[in-house]
Amino acid sequence: DQQVKQNSPSLSVQEGRISILNCDYTNSMFDYFLWYKKYPAEGPTFLISISSIKDKNEDGRFTVFLNKSAKHLSLHIVPSQPGDSAVYFCAARSSGGSQGNLIFGKGTKLSVKP
Amino acid sequence: DGGITQSPKYLFRKEGQNVTLSCEQNLNHDAMYWYRQDPGQGLRLIYYSQIVNDFQKGDIAEGYSVSREKKESFPLTVTSAQKNPTAFYLCASNPGRVSQPQHFGDGTRLSIL
Repeated sequence: DQQVKQNSPSLSVQEGRISILNCDYTNSMFDYFLWYKKYPAEGPTFLISISSIKDKNEDGRFTVFLNKSAKHLSLHIVPSQPGDSAVYFCAARSSGGSQGNLIFGKGTKLSVKP
Repeated sequence: DGGITQSPKYLFRKEGQNVTLSCEQNLNHDAMYWYRQDPGQGLRLIYYSQIVNDFQKGDIAEGYSVSREKKESFPLTVTSAQKNPTAFYLCASNPGRVSQPQHFGDGTRLSIL
């Protein structure tokens, strides 16, 4: 059973517009959430994270929103750039589980068109 | 520069052979991880190690083995018991604290000849 779900396998956005990537989770014990960006044939690169005690975290063009009641988080990229085209993975961790172990979603492939 | 080095980048294995994937980190991280990625799938945890000389099975450990004799090294052996070994393998590390993100190497793609 998937504990972290990214229901959109792909997303296409025009350059300069907002990209919104969504992630849902089922385990209420998750208390730390991360977004990773991955290019083909490379390892994922950490992008941004959020603790469950917050509902928003911002870093430059990237903002992550957390809605604990809905068990939903989203990553906003504004403005989107062609270099943002990659696969984005949502991941979650439970402090009650094995320390540091992440549960990953299946990823959303973002294409930003010039 | 500090980072995680995985080698080789591409690896081919004959049926029935064991093969070992290398992972080295110079970040002084306590914890290290091995993941497998298949097309259209997320990353699935194979094995992890929180400290030297100790490691635990992840979600898909069958057909794999690891060792952690040194803090900076966490090699993964794909044994002949792994029936579907073709995949992209990723190694990661973090300081061991829950609030720290994992850092990943660039992966090894394993294919069966």
